[in-house]
Amino acid sequence: DQQVKQNSPSLSVQEGRISILNCDYTNSMFDYFLWYKKYPAEGPTFLISISSIKDKNEDGRFTVFLNKSAKHLSLHIVPSQPGDSAVYFCAASNQAGTALIFGKGTTLSVSS
Amino acid sequence: EAGVAQSPRYKIIEKRQSVAFWCNPISGHATLYWYQQILGQGPKLLIQFQNNGVVDDSQLPKDRFSAERLKGVDSTLKIQPAKLEDSAVYLCASSFSRGPSGREKLFFGSGTQLSVL
Repeated sequence: DQQVKQNSPSLSVQEGRISILNCDYTNSMFDYFLWYKKYPAEGPTFLISISSIKDKNEDGRFTVFLNKSAKHLSLHIVPSQPGDSAVYFCAASNQAGTALIFGKGTTLSVSS
Repeated sequence: EAGVAQSPRYKIIEKRQSVAFWCNPISGHATLYWYQQILGQGPKLLIQFQNNGVVDDSQLPKDRFSAERLKGVDSTLKIQPAKLEDSAVYLCASSFSRGPSGREKLFFGSGTQLSVL
């Protein structure tokens, strides 16, 4: 039973355009969400996070939006760059402070 | 600042053999995690340590997997005997948190790619 779902296995975007990666969750106890980025043969690296008390968090080209009623979050990358090509994982944790639960990931390809 | 170190990077073994992975977390990080990432899936937690105590090992297949973090620093994960379905990347991560985790971001190592033939 997947608690964190990334339903799009892949996304292709042109350089300079917006990339939107989506994530849905089923556990209403989740209150902290993170996005990780992973290049081949490397471990995931932290990108951006959001607490459930917010509905938006911005860091440079990266913005995460949280819609608690829909149990949905999205990562926006503007403008997209070829170096953004990687696998993006959505992760969540709950109030009990358990370890992160990850989605299956979305592979983003940004073409120049 | 040195990152999370893992070794070996790659390991190929035959089914029923045993294998061990090593992890050295970032200095000062109290919490250490082992995740298993099967191809096409997201990382799945196997075990979480805080210092040298186990916080969560509910998803560790204890009939064949074992892990220890004896001095609260580095850790080893062992599989004995290995099965074909254990082929995966084994990721070690650490975080600074000394209380309930989940609010700290995790720092991951590069992982060990295990192939069981």
